[in-house]
Amino acid sequence: KQEVTQIPAALSVPEGENLVLNCSFTDSAIYNLQWFRQDPGKGLTSLLLIQSSQREQTSGRLNASLDKSSGRSTLYIAASQPGDSATYLCAVFNDYKLSFGAGTTVTVRA
Amino acid sequence: SQTIHQWPATLVQPVGSPLSLECTVEGTSNPNLYWYRQAAGRGLQLLFYSVGIGQISSEVPQNLSASRPQDRQFILSSKKLLLSDSGFYLCAWGRDLNTGELFFGEGSRLTVL
Repeated sequence: KQEVTQIPAALSVPEGENLVLNCSFTDSAIYNLQWFRQDPGKGLTSLLLIQSSQREQTSGRLNASLDKSSGRSTLYIAASQPGDSATYLCAVFNDYKLSFGAGTTVTVRA
Repeated sequence: SQTIHQWPATLVQPVGSPLSLECTVEGTSNPNLYWYRQAAGRGLQLLFYSVGIGQISSEVPQNLSASRPQDRQFILSSKKLLLSDSGFYLCAWGRDLNTGELFFGEGSRLTVL
């Protein structure tokens, strides 16, 4: 059974600091890895999708890396802003479904 | 473009009452459809997924059932709700069952009293 772990569970940083969010998974036979953002009481917004053959993906201030062999992914958010405050979820796709971590709740202080 | 709709957005139901949550997808055909539940302080748990009309796979034995009466419609039901059914229910769709990028709806919050 795939287990996905996200560390830390919560993170508070001053505005402008870079964010580093970590995700690890136990079964490296994945098809892809997705990072999502969830605002309180809302659904999930897809941020980045990394296919299993890729090492990283970038979108604006966001960059995600994937090391499938070691079962790790890292999401970097550059120059954080208060609007980046949310819960970030990592999910891996294998065996026909996405398995999720519990998320990292980020607070960016103005 | 594709959109996914869920309703109702919020629901408060007594224990023992029935449940029906609906999800529809627009702008695509033959999507793979998923129901997830997010309980307070816990990660998302896959409940059901469907690759076509009338085809339902259940991940977790529970008090809930799912149906797919039309290509782009996915319904989550219960005959008698339990307190433990409270949570945030999310519907998602994807194109490819093997490589699976998923897109989520806005969710339905269920409180069972």
